[in-house]
Amino acid sequence: QVQLQESGPGLVKPSGTLSLTCAVSGVSISSANWWSWVRQSPGKGLEWIGEIYHSGSTNYNPSLKSRVTVSVDKSKKQFYLKLTSVASADTAVYYCASRYGWKYLLWGQGTLVTVSS
Amino acid sequence: DIQMTQSPSSLSASVGDRVTITCQASQDISNYLNWYQQKPGKAPKLLIYTASNLEAGVPSRFSGSGSGTDFIFTISSLQPEDIATYYCQQYDNLPLTFGGGTKVEIK
Repeated sequence: QVQLQESGPGLVKPSGTLSLTCAVSGVSISSANWWSWVRQSPGKGLEWIGEIYHSGSTNYNPSLKSRVTVSVDKSKKQFYLKLTSVASADTAVYYCASRYGWKYLLWGQGTLVTVSS
Repeated sequence: DIQMTQSPSSLSASVGDRVTITCQASQDISNYLNWYQQKPGKAPKLLIYTASNLEAGVPSRFSGSGSGTDFIFTISSLQPEDIATYYCQQYDNLPLTFGGGTKVEIK
């Protein structure tokens, strides 16, 4: 079964670092997919954060680029999101997703991360 | 960044009604536009790609049209299971950007 599954702390302190993992199953992480992170603030729309290809190539949203790192571990079939210097505005549901071409067909179920002391 | 403006932000319609949502890009994006459906507590689901192509397995009552800066998403006959928020998304330029969403409710 093709599946993405996010995991990570649900609560992060302000100025801290948000770290999430996305486990990939049922599809090769070395396939022709870009592995992405998208977030959705409570009651708000969708914001694309960034993505990585299995080769290590990355693309980031310029609005977050100074704080974001997306990485991949092919041996573990996982990719990761790190967001530094978080603030309350970073409270959101974080989705990992995979695009083939320009279609996002595969999504995780989402994980809520709250930034609060 | 390319700004995507959806309207209306919400609408209420009866079962069987034709529903139309518009999406306007801040610059020409050709036909590089997708439409997604998001139900509460769920991840988005791709319905339409490249402005007018129906994704496999998606009911034919959903359709999309447009090019350049102006796009339309249509549900030809609204069904109870279509209650959701719909988003357009451009992929002409990075960063990928989404419209603000249109929440569809049953009257």
